[in-house]
Amino acid sequence: EDQVTQSPEALRLQEGESSSLNCSYTVSGLRGLFWYRQDPGKGPEFLFTLYSAGEEKEKERLKATLTKKESFLHITAPKPEDSATYLCAVQANQFYFGTGTSLTVIP
Amino acid sequence: ETGVTQTPRHLVMGMTNKKSLKCEQHLGHNAMYWYKQSAKKPLELMFVYSLEERVENNSVPSRFSPECPNSSHLFLHLHTLQPEDSALYLCASSPSSEETQYFGPGTRLLVL
Repeated sequence: EDQVTQSPEALRLQEGESSSLNCSYTVSGLRGLFWYRQDPGKGPEFLFTLYSAGEEKEKERLKATLTKKESFLHITAPKPEDSATYLCAVQANQFYFGTGTSLTVIP
Repeated sequence: ETGVTQTPRHLVMGMTNKKSLKCEQHLGHNAMYWYKQSAKKPLELMFVYSLEERVENNSVPSRFSPECPNSSHLFLHLHTLQPEDSALYLCASSPSSEETQYFGPGTRLLVL
């Protein structure tokens, strides 16, 4: 069964404390993996698309990586404004979303 | 207006009401989507339109009826909803149905 699993479900970090979020997937024929950020009461905001194992993309304090079975979103020296839910989605024959990781960065 | 807009942002309706959600994209995209987002659950894809034709309908109850009059506008008509239909309804668009999707802010729906 095609599936996307994100971990942890929730993460609390001190400001400046780097960490990683995980997105593991079991789909046939991966066409792309997407990361989104979602703030409370708002729609998901696109961050990155990764297409092949070994690919990496960066934006400010965020770096996304992809292997054949999972993707990581690394957050370096996070700030309180990075607090949000981070969603992962994979595209195979259709799009599959994970349930997200709720990140709280404490000043 | 830029990106993907949705109206209304909040909606409260009774189970016998009829209402419509509106989505408009200003990105020149050819594909549009409706998703349902409930707490602790993954986004549920409801409908996909590509070049104004419905290409996917994921076993959605008939009380939800989509309409795509042109490539920039998408509607979701609601009638005789149930309390369990309360959720955040998200609209998205993409250049084609194979590419990155961009989301609107959503409509928070409460069915009483």
